[in-house]
Amino acid sequence: DTGVSQNPRHKITKRGQNVTFRCDPISEHNRLYWYRQTLGQGPEFLTYFQNEAQLEKSRLLSDRFSAERPKGSFSTLEIQRTEQGDSAMYLCASSFGGELFFGEGSRLTVL
Amino acid sequence: TQLLEQSPQFLSIQEGENLTVYCNSSSVFSSLQWYRQEPGEGPVLLVTVVTGGEVKKLKRLTFQFGDARKDSSLHITAAQTGDTGLYLCAGGRSGGGADGLTFGKGTHLIIQP
Repeated sequence: DTGVSQNPRHKITKRGQNVTFRCDPISEHNRLYWYRQTLGQGPEFLTYFQNEAQLEKSRLLSDRFSAERPKGSFSTLEIQRTEQGDSAMYLCASSFGGELFFGEGSRLTVL
Repeated sequence: TQLLEQSPQFLSIQEGENLTVYCNSSSVFSSLQWYRQEPGEGPVLLVTVVTGGEVKKLKRLTFQFGDARKDSSLHITAAQTGDTGLYLCAGGRSGGGADGLTFGKGTHLIIQP
C-alpha cells in the first residue's frame, strides 16, 4: 500500500491521559500536514512540515498539542492531558508541493 | 482568515436527479480542490482547478472555477446512490504554502434510491 497510513485508527482514552498518533506519508512526499475534523465540519489545519522542518505551528489548538517529524519521514502528533473537547478525527496528509493526499484518519474519543 | 462557504449544507435527492453545490469566498485562491469524504474515512481528491473560468469534467461530475477565482461549483448529472458523501471544497495559495488548504464545512449529499 503506497498511500498515507495513520495509526491507530481509533483511540479511546480517559480525560487527562496523553495520546500519540502516527502518520506515514507517501514516501516521495516532502510535505506533511495535520488537520483536525470534528463531526459535521470540514478539516481544520493544525500544522505543517516540509521535510523535517515544522514551518507552521501557530494553528495548533493549544500548548497541549505538539507534532514532530524527526527524520523527514513519518510524523507524530501528541496531545497531552486530553480533554473531552479533543474528541475528533485527526487527519494527516502529504504532498510534493501540489495536491494533498489524505490518510484515513485517527479517531479520538476522550471519555 | 480566508473562509470558504459551501451551500447547501445538506442535500437529499432521488437517484437520477441533477444537482449543483457551491463553494464561495471573498478571497482569491490560486487553486481550488474538491474532495469527497465517506464516514470514517479521509477526504479523497476529485479534482483541482487553477485557472479562472476553468471547467473540468469527471464522468457525471462537472467542476467550474469562477472567473475571479473566488468561487466554484460542482454539478452532478443523473445522481447515483454511490455519490452519497460529504463534498468538501478547499482553497490553496500559490506554491502550496505553510497554511496548507483552507476547507469549507462541506455539503452532505444523500442520494436516495
